[in-house]
Amino acid sequence: DIQMTQSPSSLSASVGDRVTITCRASQGIRNDLGWYQQKPGKAPKRLIYAASSLQSGVPSRFSGSGSGTEFTLTISSLQPEDFATYYCLQHNSYPLLTFGGGTKVEIK
Amino acid sequence: EVQLVESGGGLVQPGGSLRLSCAASGFTFSSYWMSWVRQAPGKGLEWVANIKQDGSEKYYVDSVKGRFTISRDNAKNSLYLQMNSLRAEDTAVYYCARVSIGLHLDYWGQGTLVTVSS
Repeated sequence: DIQMTQSPSSLSASVGDRVTITCRASQGIRNDLGWYQQKPGKAPKRLIYAASSLQSGVPSRFSGSGSGTEFTLTISSLQPEDFATYYCLQHNSYPLLTFGGGTKVEIK
Repeated sequence: EVQLVESGGGLVQPGGSLRLSCAASGFTFSSYWMSWVRQAPGKGLEWVANIKQDGSEKYYVDSVKGRFTISRDNAKNSLYLQMNSLRAEDTAVYYCARVSIGLHLDYWGQGTLVTVSS
């Protein structure tokens, strides 16, 4: 089974900060990874697919990179509406899927 | 507009059963794989099960194998999750989600809460 290790589990940041979240796969998964944002009480929302492709309608301050075993989600300038929990999801082993543990982005 | 609406959640005793439903609209339901994902209170997301377009292939996370059954009725544009032998650790919000052509979960329902407690 492919394990996804996401770090950090939480972080505090200020509006305007650059934020980076990392996901590491237990084995190579090419670019078969997406990033999701979840706000309290809401369903997750897809931000990035194929590791680096921005979902339509998602602000360009979000970007994804990586391939193989290490992936990053970067928010270039944190906005108030970006305070949320972020998850990576690998589908290299589809139909079996694995989420990362999540990163909660809080206001500093 | 793609919509997924879950229903069927509630309070059930340990060892009991519950059937969740997900009504789909706004897309050709029979053309897509579908998924169930759950989230325990205060915890992260966990993929639960996937089903192929025609229902011929089904896959589960190890922790629910033998207890949960995913199914679909393409004539009714509906996805189901039959949950038997429920345990306290199955307490969660259950989401249905559409699997995109690129194998991502591109649309999600609002979720339905299942609470397993005596």
